[in-house]
Amino acid sequence: DTAVSQTPKYLVTQMGNDKSIKCEQNLGHDTMYWYKQDSKKFLKIMFSYNNKELIINETVPNRFSPKSPDKAHLNLHINSLELGDSAVYFCASGTQGSNQPQHFGDGTRLSIL
Amino acid sequence: DQQVKQNSPSLSVQEGRISILNCDYTNSMFDYFLWYKKYPAEGPTFLISISSIKDKNEDGRFTVFLNKSAKHLSLHIVPSQPGDSAVYFCAASARGGAQKLVFGQGTRLTINP
Repeated sequence: DTAVSQTPKYLVTQMGNDKSIKCEQNLGHDTMYWYKQDSKKFLKIMFSYNNKELIINETVPNRFSPKSPDKAHLNLHINSLELGDSAVYFCASGTQGSNQPQHFGDGTRLSIL
Repeated sequence: DQQVKQNSPSLSVQEGRISILNCDYTNSMFDYFLWYKKYPAEGPTFLISISSIKDKNEDGRFTVFLNKSAKHLSLHIVPSQPGDSAVYFCAASARGGAQKLVFGQGTRLTINP
């Protein structure tokens, strides 16, 4: 059973389009995260939601909008895609306030043509 | 401003020998440190962690050492096995809040038979 699953695994689209990436966790965690791994392989936090409430927003452009319908889901919608958005996006989940590790999905590789 | 640094992009070790991966951090607020292992096209997988109240944590073949005064941690793998070949990420977080993970840029470990 996959603990953190995200879809799609690969996403190829043209500049200017709008796309969404979905993430679901079945670990019972109360906090979910989106990380971006750029071409230099740095993994950086983008957003975090705790029980559907946004608690981290790391100066990400407004074109990126996370949506959390419930604590098991955190989707990422991206408007007006740009070339620089090409990256691998990882969803993760964890428990706020505990020293327990975050668990990651397998990533979504987004390629902008 | 890279708060967590892994200065060795790659490391090659003979099977059966010890692998030592290093990580340095600058933020003295960090109190929880983790190592993740990543295979291609997969998400980071949690390996081992250490709290700042300890200086060593051991789990099977994996041991993490923390030197708070030097702001340095290391991961020891003994004995190294071919399946250990992967990219290893060091990560850190500060107490409380959403526990945003700050990652190093990773070290690619290759175990040679």
